Amino acid sequence: KQEVTQIPAALSVPEGENLVLNCSFTDSAIYNLQWFRQDPGKGLTSLLLIQSSQREQTSGRLNASLDKSSGRSTLYIAASQPGDSATYLCAAMEYGNKLVFGAGTILRVKS
Amino acid sequence: DTGVSQNPRHKITKRGQNVTFRCDPISEHNRLYWYRQTLGQGPEFLTYFQNEAQLEKSRLLSDRFSAERPKGSFSTLEIQRTEQGDSAMYLCASSSDGHLAGPETQYFGPGTRLLVL
Repeated sequence: KQEVTQIPAALSVPEGENLVLNCSFTDSAIYNLQWFRQDPGKGLTSLLLIQSSQREQTSGRLNASLDKSSGRSTLYIAASQPGDSATYLCAAMEYGNKLVFGAGTILRVKS
Repeated sequence: DTGVSQNPRHKITKRGQNVTFRCDPISEHNRLYWYRQTLGQGPEFLTYFQNEAQLEKSRLLSDRFSAERPKGSFSTLEIQRTEQGDSAMYLCASSSDGHLAGPETQYFGPGTRLLVL
């Protein structure tokens, strides 16, 4: 059974700092790995999708990497801003197109 | 607005009552998913449709839960004889087929927050 773990559970940083969020998964037989953002009481917004054959994806200040062999993905956020404050979720897509989510990292960027 | 929509956004009900939620996916998407999210946790997969066919159901989906997508467009999720443990955010997502490049990104709706008293 696929299990996804995210570390740290919460993170508080000053504005402008670069930061890394970590995600690990137990079963490397995945189709892709996705990172989402969730604001309090809201739905999920897709940030980046990395296909299983890819190593990384970039969008603006965000960069996500994938290492299937070690079962790890990281989300790098450059020059963090207060508007980046949210919960960040990673999810592994497995057979049946279902996403298996981690519990998330709650990020607070202080101005 | 061409995103995924869900109704109602909030539902408060008494234990033992039945509730029904609706999801309208992005119009060109043929895949539709239901997830459940409890406080402090990531969403958990419940079920998945391709067009009108329900292809997979999680063990989380007890016999009190039923989902339909009769015409391959909108979907409903019904919970019968609600229990306090059913209190959660119910999220719907949709995606395209993506048969050329593999499974596509799932786009999520705003969710329906259920509180069972």
